[in-house]
Amino acid sequence: NAGVMQNPRHLVRRRGQEARLRCSPMKGHSHVYWYRQLPEEGLKFMVYLQKENIIDESGMPKERFSAEFPKEGPSILRIQQVVRGDSAAYFCASSPSGQFYGYTFGSGTRLTVV
Amino acid sequence: EDQVTQSPEALRLQEGESSSLNCSYTVSGLRGLFWYRQDPGKGPEFLFTLYSAGEEKEKERLKATLTKKESFLHITAPKPEDSATYLCAVEPFTGTASKLTFGTGTRLQVTL
Repeated sequence: NAGVMQNPRHLVRRRGQEARLRCSPMKGHSHVYWYRQLPEEGLKFMVYLQKENIIDESGMPKERFSAEFPKEGPSILRIQQVVRGDSAAYFCASSPSGQFYGYTFGSGTRLTVV
Repeated sequence: EDQVTQSPEALRLQEGESSSLNCSYTVSGLRGLFWYRQDPGKGPEFLFTLYSAGEEKEKERLKATLTKKESFLHITAPKPEDSATYLCAVEPFTGTASKLTFGTGTRLQVTL
């Protein structure tokens, strides 16, 4: 019974490259959330998705960031033209549809921009 | 704007030395307050959800309580394996359900 799977665990990108972070929710979970954790800061909400729908993207930077959760396959967080300030840990969480009792988080992807 | 403030930022205890972590919150209406544990290099691990003032939840050496303005995580007779960062988060009634605002955490170190 696998938990929330994120890959890669570590990702190094040069400035200007694209970063793609993947998240496979727990079996039976159709709600996915992305959070970012900057050094010495708390987890910050980025986006909330259901299959094929973006429900709330109020925490996403206006440019360069996008997220999707297709009908088949994992959720993808895409960061275009990365900058040093994008270096952070990105966590994905999932929950089953219906009432909310707390997330199950993945182990995160640590993005380093050099 | 919803806010969560955790104190202290860091806490060092000896094994068996009980203490409490504080989480103060400001939210338009509280749907739920959550406690998570995070180990270095890992994702947060869910501990408790509290919904109303006066509610208490327990799990092994941990006990979480909730008032209208703050929550406490009491650690009784801690062991070295309790060393971690403890995160508090709130879910407001207004806005998108299941969107959490987190505090910056309390780093707990338990020594022998």
